[in-house]
Amino acid sequence: EAQVTQNPRYLITVTGKKLTVTCSQNMNHEYMSWYRQDPGLGLRQIYYSMNVEVTDKGDVPEGYKVSRKEKRNFPLILESPSPNQTSLYFCASSLARGEQFFGPGTRLTVL
Amino acid sequence: GQQLNQSPQSMFIQEGEDVSMNCTSSSIFNTWLWYKQDPGEGPVLLIALYKAGELTSNGRLTAQFGITRKDSFLNISASIPSDVGIYFCAGRRGRETSGSRLTFGEGTQLTVNP
Repeated sequence: EAQVTQNPRYLITVTGKKLTVTCSQNMNHEYMSWYRQDPGLGLRQIYYSMNVEVTDKGDVPEGYKVSRKEKRNFPLILESPSPNQTSLYFCASSLARGEQFFGPGTRLTVL
Repeated sequence: GQQLNQSPQSMFIQEGEDVSMNCTSSSIFNTWLWYKQDPGEGPVLLIALYKAGELTSNGRLTAQFGITRKDSFLNISASIPSDVGIYFCAGRRGRETSGSRLTFGEGTQLTVNP
């Protein structure tokens, strides 16, 4: 089954404790993105990647890092999480000429 | 970053009624997309629009790409309870091959009363 998977789905952590949210797709898509969703703000893009080793900042990249060492994986890294990063996070992937498929989401709470 | 203005923010309707929502922007977009998000899940693409003036249907859903390229609307006809969810518009400035840079609207929360 074609899908985008994210882990974990739910995470509660404390300020400053480094964490990684994994994202994997099995559709051989070139493009992958990370978004955060907050009430009243819709989805805002954090980072995106056009292919292996090619990443770029989205609209709200501060406090986040990404890497794209393999085509199928695009982890999101929070080196020192803060409470304002409490949010619902979505990973998405697409072909170069296609539209985005979204993962199921990761709900992160930073205390 | 550039935000899309989506309205209304929420709608409460009776089953069988038609629904209309829209997105506007001060900037031109070359692609307009409409997504639906069910509770606890990621957004799912409903309709994609690639040409100004384009009118596209997907079952009971119809969406149009505005002539000015600064707006789009989505209509749902004869609503049913499973239409409940959050509907998002999204725009892309570049052409289809320009990557995955999308700008999203704030969403319209739709509630359908049986």
